[in-house]
Amino acid sequence: QKEVEQDPGPLSVPEGAIVSLNCTYSNSAFQYFMWYRQYSRKGPELLMYTYSSGNKEDGRFTAQVDKSSKYISLFIRDSQPSDSATYLCAIRGRGAQKLVFGQGTRLTINP
Amino acid sequence: EAQVTQNPRYLITVTGKKLTVTCSQNMNHEYMSWYRQDPGLGLRQIYYSMNVEVTDKGDVPEGYKVSRKEKRNFPLILESPSPNQTSLYFCASSGRDDLAKNIQYFGAGTRLSVL
Repeated sequence: QKEVEQDPGPLSVPEGAIVSLNCTYSNSAFQYFMWYRQYSRKGPELLMYTYSSGNKEDGRFTAQVDKSSKYISLFIRDSQPSDSATYLCAIRGRGAQKLVFGQGTRLTINP
Repeated sequence: EAQVTQNPRYLITVTGKKLTVTCSQNMNHEYMSWYRQDPGLGLRQIYYSMNVEVTDKGDVPEGYKVSRKEKRNFPLILESPSPNQTSLYFCASSGRDDLAKNIQYFGAGTRLSVL
């Protein structure tokens, strides 16, 4: 079983829609949960991170963690064409240096 | 400008011909790492380095070597490349404070094809 599972998509939605991206993980020892965004032909860049269950909001983006279900989500409100990218979830254990990445979900926002 | 620079960006080579992909960062970061990205598999860590002369294996180290003789450079060496090493490679770096915040700065990637 993979440590992190992410639906690879692709996902295509109209501009203005609410987007939900999801990952599940298998090891309850993981403590830190991240979302990276990767534009075409670029390296990933950190979008958000959280270390507790619940929601964390940053503008149009909300990261949600449910440790009891081992489930993490990223919601994008009022999606824009500029949000079109691949989104990767990543997790890390306490004290660990290694990030474990999901497969990435390719998202397209259509004008 | 703070950045992680990889070279080359694109490389086509043949099986068995040794190659090196360079990675350099200008942020005085302690931590550096190499990943490969393959469709359906996401990013997988090859090797990482916590500081000069300190390196360790990631999840998929077979067929790769690294060295960290200087803080700013972390080259990835393929002694005898094989077609299954055809992939998109990323170098990343973090400072101590960045790592605590789960921030890694990625290079633009090197697309390698081994024929």
